[in-house]
Amino acid sequence: GAVVSQHPSRVICKSGTSVKIECRSLDFQATTMFWYRQFPKKSLMLMATSNEGSKATYEQGVEKDKFLINHASLTLSTLTVTSAHPEDSSFYICSAPAPSGAGDTQYFGPGTRLTVL
Amino acid sequence: AQSVTQPDIHITVSEGASLELRCNYSYGATPYLFWYVQSPGQGLQLLLKYFSGDTLVQGIKGFEAEFKRSQSSFNLRKPSVHWSDAAEYFCALPCPTGANNLFFGTGTRLTVIP
Repeated sequence: GAVVSQHPSRVICKSGTSVKIECRSLDFQATTMFWYRQFPKKSLMLMATSNEGSKATYEQGVEKDKFLINHASLTLSTLTVTSAHPEDSSFYICSAPAPSGAGDTQYFGPGTRLTVL
Repeated sequence: AQSVTQPDIHITVSEGASLELRCNYSYGATPYLFWYVQSPGQGLQLLLKYFSGDTLVQGIKGFEAEFKRSQSSFNLRKPSVHWSDAAEYFCALPCPTGANNLFFGTGTRLTVIP
């Protein structure tokens, strides 16, 4: 089946630094990718929709300037957490819709655990 | 507005025992419904999905789920649990805006006792 990768899988950074997380569709093209955030013992919350060739669409309450999204190509979307703070520590997961158009099946990346000290 | 409720935060079962994970939904029409499993260090994996037709859906790893419109439920079942089934399970449905993203329940963590 289709595979979505994320890099890095884990990152620890100091408060105030910026962190870039990559999401790649390895064997299919994705004009749209989704970025989720998962808090401990809680559900996944959609942060934004990454659109190839246009601006990302952010969910209500998500700071656009804080979480920069760039859909650089049909196989790559990046999420940059700018000036990270401890409250940004979380598990970030990306997904891409199935290429076959099989309903609303999503393929998920393995996630990136961000810890901000 | 749509919602997905998983009433059980954590369930513990013995290996070989049967399993049922509950999922209730609220949606304006008949929804698509999904069950995903999240294992440590791995991405979310689709177990099964319901779009239409037969209300009993078979999935991977021996899981099945039954869509019950009258109860607004889509409970996940497995007749005999294996130790490798220990994971977090999420029920989900698509957002009604048609944007193709998913709205998730809060998840149920499954612990399997040897």
